[in-house]
Amino acid sequence: AQKVTQAQTEISVVEKEDVTLDCVYETRDTTYYLFWYKQPPSGELVFLIRRNSFDEQNEISGRYSWNFQKSTSSFNFTITASQVVDSAVYFCALNFNKFYFGSGTKLNVKP
Amino acid sequence: GAGVSQSPSNKVTEKGKDVELRCDPISGHTALYWYRQSLGQGLEFLIYFQGNSAPDKSGLPSDRFSAERTGGSVSTLTIQRTQQEDSAVYLCASSLGGEGVNTEAFFGQGTRLTVV
Repeated sequence: AQKVTQAQTEISVVEKEDVTLDCVYETRDTTYYLFWYKQPPSGELVFLIRRNSFDEQNEISGRYSWNFQKSTSSFNFTITASQVVDSAVYFCALNFNKFYFGSGTKLNVKP
Repeated sequence: GAGVSQSPSNKVTEKGKDVELRCDPISGHTALYWYRQSLGQGLEFLIYFQGNSAPDKSGLPSDRFSAERTGGSVSTLTIQRTQQEDSAVYLCASSLGGEGVNTEAFFGQGTRLTVV
């Protein structure tokens, strides 16, 4: 069975703080894909990153970075020097045919 | 259009009425998904279409829900005899799909359904 767990329901930080959003997944498949999506207050889901199960290299894109560790089945997302515009709900997802989404983490960045 | 288009954007209906929600995926995308998101909640999978394969309907909550995809493109989600608990945002997404192709899904703006 496929499952994604985002244990942090809501996180509040002050602008410029770093914040890490946790994602733990379960799957018996050896080939799978992991994703992060952002859902700002406007409601539309925005794709952030895709990672396949054979690529454990960490990735950095500007202030965003992702740490994929198969040994712990985790795919964590870090925002460095957070900004108010980062306030949103962030979803981690596992794709094996359809997408299995975590319950989301609401990030509040206060000025 | 360039993105996934859903209509209507908002729908208010009376309990017991039937509703149809439409999704126009990105051209060339063979995979199409429907999800439901209740207020402040996560995404609940409803149904998944992949090319000409039989759809994965395992997420449909009851037999009042059905969906079809005509010509491998536009999809319609139908809810019969709507109930108040059907109130939610219905999200459609599409991706390139295909065997061994697990690309990102692009989401539409959603249809906000309110059953009164």
